[in-house]
Amino acid sequence: SYELTQPPSVSVSPGQTASITCSGDKLGDKYACWYQQKPGQSPVLVIYQDTKRPPGIPERFSGSNSGNTATLTISGTQSMDEADYYCQAWDSSTVFFGTGTKVTVL
Amino acid sequence: EVQLVESGGGLVQPGRSLRLSCAASGFTFDHYAMHWVRQAPGKGLEWVSGITWNSDTTIYGDTVKGRSTISRDNAKNSLYLQINSLRTEDTALYYCIKDISTTLSGDLALAVWGQGTMVTVSS
Repeated sequence: SYELTQPPSVSVSPGQTASITCSGDKLGDKYACWYQQKPGQSPVLVIYQDTKRPPGIPERFSGSNSGNTATLTISGTQSMDEADYYCQAWDSSTVFFGTGTKVTVL
Repeated sequence: EVQLVESGGGLVQPGRSLRLSCAASGFTFDHYAMHWVRQAPGKGLEWVSGITWNSDTTIYGDTVKGRSTISRDNAKNSLYLQINSLRTEDTALYYCIKDISTTLSGDLALAVWGQGTMVTVSS
């Protein structure tokens, strides 16, 4: 089994930058994805292959991945970005999700 | 518009079987790998299973391996998941998902998610 660890919660003020980390053994050697899930809604892919944004995802969402840590950065955070965020990676022909991070915009 | 509509969920007794279905529209179904992911109430995401565009490869998470079968019918634009020997811990919302790629490999991403179908396992 492959473990991906995220902080349970991150708080950010509107307009500031939020950084969400995802830690896993040699995660930088794999691709990382990130999903946003708002209450009562299905998850949405916001970053794939470490740094790519799907069509329709705002530019304020960016990603990086190196060493044992992948990071999702939300620049100029807006109230609409308040949600749960999950990282995801592939290892040994299996998909693994991170533990999830609740982002609160105060 | 890409649409994925799951069905087949409901209340089922432990030890019984269930077959979930997913009707896809708005894209060329046989060009993409597909997945099932579940989410227990108030919990995180758990990947269940994936299948390549041509059903050549199927893969399963450890918690359902050996008692589940994923399949697809490209002529009907449909994805299926059969789970046998259901347990209370299988209680979850099951999502059908379109991959960005045809195959199952390290560059996969779960691009489009359905609304899910709820499975409750209880006596």
